Formats: sequence, structure tokens, C-alpha cells
Amino acid sequence: DAKTTQPTSMDCAEGRAANLPCNHSTISGNEYVYWYRQIHSQGPQYIIHGLKNNETNEMASLIITEDRKSSTLILPHATLRDTAVYYCIVRVAGGNQGGKLIFGQGTELSVKP
Amino acid sequence: GAVVSQHPSRVICKSGTSVKIECRSLDFQATTMFWYRQFPKKSLMLMATSNEGSKATYEQGVEKDKFLINHASLTLSTLTVTSAHPEDSSFYICSAPLATDTQYFGPGTRLTVL
Repeated sequence: DAKTTQPTSMDCAEGRAANLPCNHSTISGNEYVYWYRQIHSQGPQYIIHGLKNNETNEMASLIITEDRKSSTLILPHATLRDTAVYYCIVRVAGGNQGGKLIFGQGTELSVKP
Repeated sequence: GAVVSQHPSRVICKSGTSVKIECRSLDFQATTMFWYRQFPKKSLMLMATSNEGSKATYEQGVEKDKFLINHASLTLSTLTVTSAHPEDSSFYICSAPLATDTQYFGPGTRLTVL
């Protein structure tokens, strides 16, 4: 699975959009970009995933560049409850690994009042 | 949405004892589950893949005799930390994938070995 690079930490003002970048320059054509987050002392939570088109759900939007070498997770109106570590993971969907996820260090997002 | 539970949420044990942690998928079946451990201020580290009806697959460097995994049914996987020592103190998290290839994680089990 391709390696990802994320900033160690970011701050965001409450009510503003939080834009979390992820670089995955070695991504393969069949690898998806997944985003999970982990609030302190809890299990990770799935946010969104995509292959090459931009995706949006009730939690966030995922913007993937045309060359697929980077992506941005957007939380449109960040709240204090969005304070968490955000993980960008690139992997092949399904496959013989059956969903195994390899976590990097992630970005620690702090939403401030 | 799909829910994965873990029991217990916290456990404190004496050095040398064994501890069993349960992971259950509450509203879906999972032929595969995953076990992770997480040290303070560190990322999750995949320990093993639990396979229903067959042996678990361990990641490199994880002792299979130390961390016993049993996938007894399509909704239950257990992780037993045998002869626990203080260095085994950690946050243990399980996950299970849905058919849509989305992983759902349990709330985690905090193990403290005295």
C-alpha cells in the first residue's frame, strides 16, 4: 500500500472550514484514499473514501487532485467535537487483505473556540 | 450504522496473568476482524488479522504465542494476552469490515498490567 504524508498538527477556528491535506505521490491506479479520525481514547471512526472523483457525505468532502498524488479532507464547519487525529490511508479496496488498514501518524486537528 | 463492541473497556491485572478481550460485531457478520494496539501519543499498530474458522495471520514482530486470537463465530473474535507484563500495557482496538469495505472500529480496551 502507498505511503502517505500528513502535517503533524493543525489548528482551526470553530465554525470555519478545516482543510486537511494528504500527499500520496506513489499511489497506484487501483488504490483508494480513505480518511478516518480518532477522538482521544476512542476507536477510529470512518469518514469518507474515494478513488478519483471528489466525494461528499454528511461528515466531510474529499477532494482528490487530477493526478491523484494528493488529496484534501474538508470539514465545512468545524466544531469543537471535531478535535481529533485524522488519518489518511491509501489502500486497495477489498483484495486478499480483506480490509487491512495501515495507519500513519496522522494530523492532530485542534478546533479552537 | 454498524457497531462493533469490545469487552472489557478497561482491565487491570497482575503481571503473569492472562487477559481475554472480546470483540463483537453487533449487527453484521464479519469473517475477518483486525486487532490493533496503540501506545500513548502513538498511532495504531496492526497486530493480526482474525479469520473465522481458520488461524489468525500475525504481522511481523508480533508473537503469536503471546497474543492468542480466536475467531469463534461470525460475530466474535477474542484476543488473549498471555502471561501479561507491564510492557503489554496498551490500548487494544479491534475492527471489522463491512461488505462495502468500510472498517468499523470498537471503542478499545485499556489494559494496565501491574
